[in-house]
Amino acid sequence: EDQVTQSPEALRLQEGESSSLNCSYTVSGLRGLFWYRQDPGKGPEFLFTLYSAGEEKEKERLKATLTKKESFLHITAPKPEDSATYLCAVKRAGAQKLVFGQGTRLTINP
Amino acid sequence: EAQVTQNPRYLITVTGKKLTVTCSQNMNHEYMSWYRQDPGLGLRQIYYSMNVEVTDKGDVPEGYKVSRKEKRNFPLILESPSPNQTSLYFCASSLIPLAGGRYNEQFFGPGTRLTVL
Repeated sequence: EDQVTQSPEALRLQEGESSSLNCSYTVSGLRGLFWYRQDPGKGPEFLFTLYSAGEEKEKERLKATLTKKESFLHITAPKPEDSATYLCAVKRAGAQKLVFGQGTRLTINP
Repeated sequence: EAQVTQNPRYLITVTGKKLTVTCSQNMNHEYMSWYRQDPGLGLRQIYYSMNVEVTDKGDVPEGYKVSRKEKRNFPLILESPSPNQTSLYFCASSLIPLAGGRYNEQFFGPGTRLTVL
């Protein structure tokens, strides 16, 4: 069974304090690993798709990386507006759904 | 503007009173899906549709129905809602997988918060 585990559950940082969020996954035949950002009361907003180990993608202060077992979302010099829940999801070959992790609730204090 | 819309955004109802949550997308996406999000359980898929008149069950389909008569619309129907269907519901859409199996990102609607008393 596909499994996605995100850690930590919650993370509180000071503005400018860089850190990383972890997404560990077990899936047979990965066809994509997705990162989403979700603000309270809103739908998930797409950030990145990673397809193969070694791939990296960047967007502003965020950088996503992928290995065969996990993905990291690195956040560099975060700002308060980066506060949100970050969701990781995987799609395996032959399945028609995304399997989501529980998310990491990130809070950036000014 | 490319978007997925849902209506209503908030709904309070009573047990057994049939309701429909509408979902519409303007991106000409073939794939549409419904999820529910509950604390501690994350996002779970209810139903999905690969195209018009093609629907299938997700992980938690009990108590729900869907239909796909038009490409842009994918309503979620609760024939006899119960309190355990109180949840935050999201509709999502995407293009179908590209050749070679790469999967396109799903775009999510703003959510519908449903309370069943």
